[in-house]
Formats: sequence, structure tokens, C-alpha cells
Amino acid sequence: DTEVTQTPKHLVMGMTNKKSLKCEQHMGHRAMYWYKQKAKKPPELMFVYSYEKLSINESVPSRFSPECPNSSLLNLHLHALQPEDSALYLCASSPREGVNTDTQYFGPGTRLTVL
Amino acid sequence: AQTVTQSQPEMSVQEAETVTLSCTYDTSENNYYLFWYKQPPSRQMILVIRQEAYKQQNATENRFSVNFQKAAKSFSLKISDSQLGDTAMYFCAFRGYGNKLVFGAGTILRVKS
Repeated sequence: DTEVTQTPKHLVMGMTNKKSLKCEQHMGHRAMYWYKQKAKKPPELMFVYSYEKLSINESVPSRFSPECPNSSLLNLHLHALQPEDSALYLCASSPREGVNTDTQYFGPGTRLTVL
Repeated sequence: AQTVTQSQPEMSVQEAETVTLSCTYDTSENNYYLFWYKQPPSRQMILVIRQEAYKQQNATENRFSVNFQKAAKSFSLKISDSQLGDTAMYFCAFRGYGNKLVFGAGTILRVKS
């Protein structure tokens, strides 16, 4: 089973709201990733967690706050977002970080709209 | 830094025919992996096929195969017997030493009946 799940599927929020995106995998993977994807563009890496510790932050604005409560779960907390943050947010996981043999498996994404 | 180039923004193919999507990359590394991902309109990114740079034999997965030319830094995807369900955005991706997956800009493939 190579399933990564994400909730919610769709999210609409105002610029003053606080919301969270959730990602879960039960494949025993130890690396998890957040990507942002605009329409008809490739995914852009935001964060990487390795063994539940943040290992890469691609200079993402602080209004995005990741959290990895355990090895199966990854959250992305959103606060004071801007309309330009509207995008598809993809979660991915791989067995290990930094090993180029490891394939990343993607979730279905959360479509975020910021009003 | 590695770069991945997909020079075909959009392509069309008739059902049951064969189509080839192009990808070139630039790297100074010798050991790396290349991937093709498919993202249908339903949006889930799905791994189609992967190739290890140290393997000379081209990878195949059912109707999908690659033509890997290491010296030319080329990694094209051939889809045989195209099906309507193959309609999607296809991304070529590179992963070398380190943590990042470098994506190309993508090619939109439309399969026509």
C-alpha cells in the first residue's frame, strides 16, 4: 500500500482565519514533505521532515507553520494567509530522507482558496 | 544546481497510438535517479516509472517505457497503446544526492478518442 491521505480535500478561508491541513501515511516512511502547486506548474518544495524533525525549510513565510506530531502524521498550520497563497498543497512521503533511491509518494492534495 | 527541461508544453495523441514525451536534465553528479510522474485532472500525483542512472537497461512498466541516454542527459517517456485514462500532466523529475526532487515544467498530454 503506497497511500498518503490528506484532509480536507478543499478549504476556503479568509485572510484572518487559522486553519490546518493534515497528512497521514501508514507505510512506515520516515521522511515527509509539503509542496505547494499552482495550476499547470510543477510542485514547489516547502518543508521536509526527517524522523519527525524539520530538516528543510525552503524560506517559506512564517504564516505557514509545519508540525510533525509523530512519524505517520504531518500538519500544516495556516494563519493570516494572502490570496496569492491559494494553491494545491501536496503532501508526500518517502522511506528515508536524503537517499536518492527512495521514491516519494504523493497524497491527493488539499485545494486551498484564500479570500 | 540540477535542472530539468520538458520542452513540450502540450501534446495530443489518438487512442491506441504511441506517444513520446521528452525530458532533458543537467547535472554534474554520476549517481542519481530519474522519475516520471503523472497528474491526472483529479490531481493525485502518481509515479509512472523510475530509472537508476547506473543501470544501462531502460526501465519499463507495462505500456510505459523510457529511453535513457545518460551521455546526452536525456530521459524520454514512451506510452504505447495510449488510453483515455492516460490524459494528464506528466512531470519528469530528478533526484540526486540530497533531499530534493527537481521537477520539469510538465507536459500536458491529451488522448483523443
